[in-house]
Amino acid sequence: ETGVTQTPRHLVMGMTNKKSLKCEQHLGHNAMYWYKQSAKKPLELMFVYSLEERVENNSVPSRFSPECPNSSHLFLHLHTLQPEDSALYLCASSQASGRTHNEQFFGPGTRLTVL
Amino acid sequence: DAKTTQPPSMDCAEGRAANLPCNHSTISGNEYVYWYRQIHSQGPQYIIHGLKNNETNEMASLIITEDRKSSTLILPHATLRDTAVYYCIARNVNYGQNFVFGPGTRLSVLP
Repeated sequence: ETGVTQTPRHLVMGMTNKKSLKCEQHLGHNAMYWYKQSAKKPLELMFVYSLEERVENNSVPSRFSPECPNSSHLFLHLHTLQPEDSALYLCASSQASGRTHNEQFFGPGTRLTVL
Repeated sequence: DAKTTQPPSMDCAEGRAANLPCNHSTISGNEYVYWYRQIHSQGPQYIIHGLKNNETNEMASLIITEDRKSSTLILPHATLRDTAVYYCIARNVNYGQNFVFGPGTRLSVLP
């Protein structure tokens, strides 16, 4: 257990559905991240929140919408996804001080399949 | 962040030391070397990091060459549960919030 939990662990959705992924960290960190890992590809950073403010958005399509209501929770809202969005979605957290971000701790991921 | 190169795969016998190399010839003075691993279908797990001195913790040792152009992660007594993809990342902690993960080294620990 890393102190970062994600729900659901598995999700199957149609292209017209709306769903949300949830991440919660119990480490007292102040920065949270969403990564995408497609089959046989390296992890790709999607979003970074530091002190609940989005500080990085790596050209992610608008069908992915993040939300960070507080420093312990992070959501990824999904709507009208495409089959190529099927992947493992990973949440991570770290302790940031100014511009310094320390090592990240990852959750177990949500395995998403878009039909 | 400096680019790193790692061999795509390695085998290691159970109980023996696993030595995973990483080249980072363009690393700058402010960039740390981080190691993570990812067991199949799980999230990456932090292992160790260092700047220029060798580091050791309960999981592994990190040996960084004097010129900092390469490093080696050492798992002293590999077990079957150490089978995973190991990622070496060079990262400037003062500017980069994210870790850039490459393809890593797939380590197979064999019985």
